[in-house]
Amino acid sequence: QQQVKQSPQSLIVQKGGISIINCAYENTAFDYFPWYQQFPGKGPALLIAIRPDVSEKKEGRFTISFNKSAKQFSLHIMDSQPGDSATYFCAASRFGDYKLSFGAGTTVTVRA
Amino acid sequence: KAGVTQTPRYLIKTRGQQVTLSCSPISGHRSVSWYQQTPGQGLQFLFEYFSETQRNKGNFPGRFSGRQFSNSRSEMNVSTLELGDSALYLCASSLGGRGVDTQYFGPGTRLTVL
Repeated sequence: QQQVKQSPQSLIVQKGGISIINCAYENTAFDYFPWYQQFPGKGPALLIAIRPDVSEKKEGRFTISFNKSAKQFSLHIMDSQPGDSATYFCAASRFGDYKLSFGAGTTVTVRA
Repeated sequence: KAGVTQTPRYLIKTRGQQVTLSCSPISGHRSVSWYQQTPGQGLQFLFEYFSETQRNKGNFPGRFSGRQFSNSRSEMNVSTLELGDSALYLCASSLGGRGVDTQYFGPGTRLTVL
């Protein structure tokens, strides 16, 4: 069963716009929530990660928002650029546990 | 520092055969995890090895096995291949400590079963 649900499956955004991807999890033991970016022919690469002791984390144009009570977290890509066109995966695991549970992925297309 | 390397990059096998995939982690990393990526099931955890010991295992049949060597290099083996085993197999390495630790993925091995 999918422990992490991700939406939307795909989205198209204009250059300079905001991309928003949402994830929800079931297992309350999860306490590490990374986001990965994957380009065709490449393995996933860590983009940004958050732990439940903070509600938001920002790194450059990428922001994670975390809502522990709702068991939801989201990725915002600000000022989207054509180079951001990729598939994004949310994931979750327990602290110190290397078993990542991934969402189904969101394909983001940024139109110039 | 060199990244995670996986060999071979592409593999074609027929049903019933077995296959061995190899992963060399980043220098100094002691943990290696394996994932299967398919369009239908997405990314699924297979197993994780640390210091030659399997620390965690996903929900895959016993046909899927792995091992890790003293130099942290890892191999995974799939026996009696089925059509559904066609997938991208990804290996990820990390330092392996008991804190939060980034997993760095390799480019994967694309396995096609005919």
